[in-house]
Amino acid sequence: AQKITQTQPGMFVQEKEAVTLDCTYDTSDQSYGLFWYKQPSSGEMIFLIYQGSYDEQNATEGRYSLNFQKARKSANLVISASQLGDSAMYFCAMRGRGGAGGTSYGKLTFGQGTILTVHP
Amino acid sequence: GAGVSQSPSNKVTEKGKDVELRCDPISGHTALYWYRQSLGQGLEFLIYFQGNSAPDKSGLPSDRFSAERTGGSVSTLTIQRTQQEDSAVYLCASSLNEREFAGELFFGEGSRLTVL
Repeated sequence: AQKITQTQPGMFVQEKEAVTLDCTYDTSDQSYGLFWYKQPSSGEMIFLIYQGSYDEQNATEGRYSLNFQKARKSANLVISASQLGDSAMYFCAMRGRGGAGGTSYGKLTFGQGTILTVHP
Repeated sequence: GAGVSQSPSNKVTEKGKDVELRCDPISGHTALYWYRQSLGQGLEFLIYFQGNSAPDKSGLPSDRFSAERTGGSVSTLTIQRTQQEDSAVYLCASSLNEREFAGELFFGEGSRLTVL
């Protein structure tokens, strides 16, 4: 079984500052993938960044970077130079092996989300 | 269109009625997911279709919920004898790359179900 925990129901940040959104996970899989999605008030789900469990480098995508600490089972999202348009709900998610014997790829499991508010 | 298409976008029904929600994934995507999201909450996994494999139905909350995927493409989520607690946004997603963990999910805009 997999579990994703996002302990920050809400976060506030000043425009142009950096912010870190926390995510910890629990899995017995040796191989897995970690994702972050953004959901603005419009409701659409926007993929932000992906990290593989065997990737040696932390993933980066523009202003987004993933602080991956495998031993601690954490995959925090760092947003640099926050913008007003970054205000949204942010979800951490993971998928590992699924099916009997772990021969297929399992479902994507989401955390409860963190609401980020960027102040001008 | 090129994205995941869901219909209806909004559905209001009376308690006890059956509803069907439709999802048309991106062409060629082998995996299809259904999630449920209540207001201000996270995404609750319902069911996952992956190619020709047996679907993962572990998230369906009761036997009132069922889903099928015909011809490896369009999927229908059916809720029988709807209850007020079924009110939520039902999100469908599809993905292409099932050979790695990195297959990004592409989401539809959701079907908002309101049970009166």
